[in-house]
Amino acid sequence: AIQLTQSPSSLSASVGDRVTITCRASQGISSALAWYQQKPGKAPKLLIYDASSLESGVPSRFSGSGSGTDFTLTISSLQPEDFATYYCQQFNSYPHGLTFGGGTKVEIK
Amino acid sequence: EVQLVESGGVVVQPGGSLRLSCAASGFTFDDYTMHWVRQAPGKGLEWVSLISWDGGSTYYADSVKGRFTISRDNSKNSLYLQMNSLRTEDTALYYCAKDFGVGGATFDYWGQGTLVTVSS
Repeated sequence: AIQLTQSPSSLSASVGDRVTITCRASQGISSALAWYQQKPGKAPKLLIYDASSLESGVPSRFSGSGSGTDFTLTISSLQPEDFATYYCQQFNSYPHGLTFGGGTKVEIK
Repeated sequence: EVQLVESGGVVVQPGGSLRLSCAASGFTFDDYTMHWVRQAPGKGLEWVSLISWDGGSTYYADSVKGRFTISRDNSKNSLYLQMNSLRTEDTALYYCAKDFGVGGATFDYWGQGTLVTVSS
């Protein structure tokens, strides 16, 4: 099964900071990667699909990049509503073994 | 507006059975693959199962294969998860999720989840 490793597992940042989260796949997955945001007590929300495509309605400060094994989610200027946990998810092995990364919690500094 | 509303989560003893339901609205249900994804308390997300638009294809995570069965009733816009031989490690919030619909599996809408607790 394809494993996804996110780093860091948590980070502290201030409003206005540029934040980058990394997701590394155990084998190449082309661009078959999505990013989600989850706030406490809420369901996850799709941010990015196909590694770099912004989901409709998601602010443009969010961006995704990468292909193969290394991917990044970048928040260009962190806003108060962005404090949450972020997950990557691969679907290269679809329909078998869809997997998520372990999550990155973004906290207020 | 797309809505997914899960129900059926309760406290059940190890070895027991449970059936979860998900009522869908706001989109053409039988056009889309649907999924169940779970989240153990304080933990990350784990994909559980998917079913194709017509119910003809189903897939499962290794952790639930042989114990869980996914199904759908397109006439009722409903998705189901039959859970048998439940284990304590199945304790989680179970989400119903709609597939994005274009190649691969990305989850563009989620319900609010239903909590399953497996405990004696």
